[in-house]
Amino acid sequence: GAGVSQTPSNKVTEKGKYVELRCDPISGHTALYWYRQSLGQGPEFLIYFQGTGAADDSGLPNDRFFAVRPEGSVSTLKIQRTERGDSAVYLCASSSRGLRSGANVLTFGAGSRLTVL
Amino acid sequence: RKEVEQDPGPFNVPEGATVAFNCTYSNSASQSFFWYRQDCRKEPKLLMSVYSSGNEDGRFTAQLNRASQYISLLIRDSKLSDSATYLCVVNTGRRALTFGSGTRLQVQP
Repeated sequence: GAGVSQTPSNKVTEKGKYVELRCDPISGHTALYWYRQSLGQGPEFLIYFQGTGAADDSGLPNDRFFAVRPEGSVSTLKIQRTERGDSAVYLCASSSRGLRSGANVLTFGAGSRLTVL
Repeated sequence: RKEVEQDPGPFNVPEGATVAFNCTYSNSASQSFFWYRQDCRKEPKLLMSVYSSGNEDGRFTAQLNRASQYISLLIRDSKLSDSATYLCVVNTGRRALTFGSGTRLQVQP
């Protein structure tokens, strides 16, 4: 696609529920990143995919968070047993190749705003 | 200590003013540096990369001081449309970019 697409744009859920957030990166981009941004803060790294595999998941806060990218394109971020502290904007970004290969520009989607009541 | 630190502001300046933001980073092995811009309730977008020799893009000038581990952004002749949050971004050698918390700029008429 022309840009990074994220759905849903807004999600309101109750504490304890399961949530899935979807990211469709720019066509042909092999690197995909998930970040989380809370109010007044910069984006905080969660996980990075190169192709189908998670190359770095060191930013995932705990085992309630999981992400997949089964075919190397669309990615889904999954949050189990949501807590109020999970409320944030979840941003997805892609780049044509990984940062260590010299690609330094991330193109972000508009984000999914998650509110846990 | 945060990996990337910025003054959150806000910086309130009149149109036409010159304003500068600084950012410090903690990892001396950091390899590349950027400024991203983020408008209210929008996604971050790359403003410019920061090169060791300093670089300019129109009214914007970025500089890097590796010895002191800081990056700066200078905006000349501020416009109302420059009002945004400016994020300092560093490639610390991990596989993802590390973002500062941002500096908010409000340009007033």
